Amino acid sequence: DAKTTQPPSMDCAEGRAANLPCNHSTISGNEYVYWYRQIHSQGPQYIIHGLKNNETNEMASLIITEDRKSSTLILPHATLRDTAVYYCIVRYLQGAQKLVFGQGTRLTINP
Amino acid sequence: NAGVTQTPKFQVLKTGQSMTLQCAQDMNHNSMYWYRQDPGMGLRLIYYSASEGTTDKGEVPNGYNVSRLNKREFSLRLESAAPSQTSVYFCATPTDTASGNTIYFGEGSWLTVV
Repeated sequence: DAKTTQPPSMDCAEGRAANLPCNHSTISGNEYVYWYRQIHSQGPQYIIHGLKNNETNEMASLIITEDRKSSTLILPHATLRDTAVYYCIVRYLQGAQKLVFGQGTRLTINP
Repeated sequence: NAGVTQTPKFQVLKTGQSMTLQCAQDMNHNSMYWYRQDPGMGLRLIYYSASEGTTDKGEVPNGYNVSRLNKREFSLRLESAAPSQTSVYFCATPTDTASGNTIYFGEGSWLTVV
């Protein structure tokens, strides 16, 4: 199972871009990188995913290094509502496997 | 959390009591998972089921049993509850087709063992 490593906490000023790093050095060729976030004790919420290319949606951008050993989630204009724990996980798009969440990064957006 | 239903939402148990957490999904997914989340911690995988009739251990399976009797339901049983099992429990099911891209979570079950 590919493991991920994230910093335990980060701070960001409201309105600025929040850049959350993730290391996944043992990722295999067919595994995707997914990002989820969890606000308080709600169930995790999907943000974005990617395989090789950089991806962007209405919530965030995902930058994956060329060797795929690490990635960065970018929240372009962070708001107070983006304060949450952010999880980076790797998984195959098809088939069953253990879905292992790491400790995540607790992102605090400061006014 | 649409499509994944967990029951009960809250439960208080005495040490040694048994109980079953129920999870049902109406999305016809093959895989289902049970996670626990302790205060200030990430989600830890307890058990997972790749398909109806199959189950496998996750990271923290001790003290739990699971049952996947049909495609829709995946239950988690505590045979003899311990205070260390006080936690929030999440059931989850990922899409498992090429067009799918997300994992659906239930709303969580808050369990306190006293």
